[in-house]
Amino acid sequence: SSELTQDPAVSVALGQTVRITCQGDSLRSYYASWYQQKPGQAPVLVIYGKNNRPSGIPDRFSGSSSGNTASLTITGAQAEDEADYYCNSRDSSGNHLNVVFGGGTKLTVL
Amino acid sequence: QVQLQQWGAGLLKPSETLSLTCAVYGGSFSGYYWSWIRQPPGKGLEWIGEINHSGSTNYNPSLKSRVTISVDTSKNQFSLKLSSVTAADTAVYYCARGSLGPYCSGGSCYSYYYYYYMDVWGKGTTVTVSS
Repeated sequence: SSELTQDPAVSVALGQTVRITCQGDSLRSYYASWYQQKPGQAPVLVIYGKNNRPSGIPDRFSGSSSGNTASLTITGAQAEDEADYYCNSRDSSGNHLNVVFGGGTKLTVL
Repeated sequence: QVQLQQWGAGLLKPSETLSLTCAVYGGSFSGYYWSWIRQPPGKGLEWIGEINHSGSTNYNPSLKSRVTISVDTSKNQFSLKLSSVTAADTAVYYCARGSLGPYCSGGSCYSYYYYYYMDVWGKGTTVTVSS
């Protein structure tokens, strides 16, 4: 299957921990990558590989994976973390030819 | 630091061909997968297709019949053409650099688990299709 499924919306109180999940068969073969997108801006990679953060991404962002589910955890959410979050991998069926995105999760920081 | 600069026509009429180009500055062109992604207003990200430095392409099956992605390695540029556009093709179009490989740990790499990510993105080009 080439689909990645995310919850459409999640909310978290300021300073609390939130987990955003992504499910799909391809995640049994691929580590998900995660992107943050704020209104009017291009997506920004926040987590890749097993649990790697690009330079400049705060360490409150972390990733994990189990079976067909990948998770992005924000520990101590800040107001500036309010954004849309997308997971991404390649389709593991066939020859891994296609790239797939989850539908996105809108994170609200209360 | 690698940067992607993209450009192309922003207003098209139905049935015309969308044409965008993305230039890669400050980094190698080889060893990566260069993708086009789009985002309709208020919606999520949709992968359109990709090309590598040798010109090998992969396309989203839902768009394959209308998409051509090409590369000019002499200029470190890659381009997107989408034919027969309709209002449904109205979106912000992004170019991005993708990395793909097997998961490696402790000096060993595993053929059954991989990583893929897009770490550099263009700023996006808004394309509107309207008569």
